Amino acid sequence: AAGVIQSPRHLIKEKRETATLKCYPIPRHDTVYWYQQGPGQDPQFLISFYEKMQSDKGSIPDRFSAQQFSDYHSELNMSSLELGDSALYFCASSLTGIHEQYFGPGTRLTVT
Amino acid sequence: QKEVEQDPGPLSVPEGAIVSLNCTYSNSAFQYFMWYRQYSRKGPELLMYTYSSGNKEDGRFTAQVDKSSKYISLFIRDSQPSDSATYLCATNMNRDDKIIFGKGTRLHILP
Repeated sequence: AAGVIQSPRHLIKEKRETATLKCYPIPRHDTVYWYQQGPGQDPQFLISFYEKMQSDKGSIPDRFSAQQFSDYHSELNMSSLELGDSALYFCASSLTGIHEQYFGPGTRLTVT
Repeated sequence: QKEVEQDPGPLSVPEGAIVSLNCTYSNSAFQYFMWYRQYSRKGPELLMYTYSSGNKEDGRFTAQVDKSSKYISLFIRDSQPSDSATYLCATNMNRDDKIIFGKGTRLHILP
């Protein structure tokens, strides 16, 4: 079965650079969630989209923005990167009304 | 205080043993409860979910929720070395809501 696809899988950036992470949800899923998982930490919710509209917002820095496109894929844009932004970034998708959120393999971002 | 508390372990048990993993939560408004399994450097994989109090069984896995005590459990029978992973309990209030995770318990099944 098709799963959530994230790209790139690994990304190395320097401080103050920008990064764009992409998420392709499971086909027919209309809701996308972004989570950040620091080393040894649990995933923390950042932001979610339903039908291309932001549906909820968590602890996402103002330096980050995200959107969902007409084909339901989503992009997380991160600017003025800081060392503390180094983490695994997961995207999850779900179909509205169906409870399960399915996670992608993650993008490992390293800021040097 | 975190909304979901979970002992990080590590928990080491011999192959074939019954494993018991537990979490507590603070907000009585939580209605949906999940267990995710996460292998190193991989995404969380949904194992089980339950709505409100009760038990749910799927193969070797049984999830229990006791809303009166705000206690969530996952039991793994006939544990296998391939079960070695981090197990994250999770919850949310409504369908399609953000998920709130516990910190995860690292489990090692010893051959």
